[in-house]
Amino acid sequence: QVQLVQSGSELKKPGASVKVSCKASGYTFTNYAMDWVRQAPGQGLEWMGWINTNTGNPTYAQGFTGGFVFSLDTSVNTAYLQISSLKAEDTAVYYCARDGAIGYAFDIWGQGTMVTVSS
Amino acid sequence: QSALTQPPSASGSPGQSVTISCTGTSSDVGGYNYVSWYQQHPGKAPKLMIYEVSKRPSGVPDRFSASKSGNTASLTVSGLRAEDEADYYCSSYAGSNKVFGGGTKLTVL
Repeated sequence: QVQLVQSGSELKKPGASVKVSCKASGYTFTNYAMDWVRQAPGQGLEWMGWINTNTGNPTYAQGFTGGFVFSLDTSVNTAYLQISSLKAEDTAVYYCARDGAIGYAFDIWGQGTMVTVSS
Repeated sequence: QSALTQPPSASGSPGQSVTISCTGTSSDVGGYNYVSWYQQHPGKAPKLMIYEVSKRPSGVPDRFSASKSGNTASLTVSGLRAEDEADYYCSSYAGSNKVFGGGTKLTVL
């Protein structure tokens, strides 16, 4: 079935980096864009941006233009989110979500990856 | 890009109907017919309930309906059931960007 499976929870110290993976299955990976969404504890959803899975070209939302990198490995149908110079306020659940199948809506979501930044 | 405006909470009794609003601007909600709605239960990933303003993906009950007028979109849940208790988020395309609403916690009394 169509699904996105993300990597497991991470505990990092301030200043460290983290790389979250999102592996797609059940569909042609390069036919749909991949978006990333952040949800801080007890807060709402925040759109981080998207990556064109054909060209690898990323687009970052305001507030995510520094320290956040979207990338791909199309050979294994996987998208990545790398966050560098982690701060406490980066503590959140990060979701990948498939985009472009139906009218700019996110029709398939990963299960989420909890990233905790604490000394 | 500012977040879309949703009421923080809404409630209704089983069997009743409740409507959640989502207000944006002419640059997002009012400018495109690409409003979507998501349901999120605690500890779970969001689930797509409505796309392109009023269309339901396969498997979503027809108790969920939605519409748009000007810069405001609305989600209506009819025949409320206990399992509808969740957070609901609207989202809109905004011309190369996307934006979410702040979310509405729906309580079934």
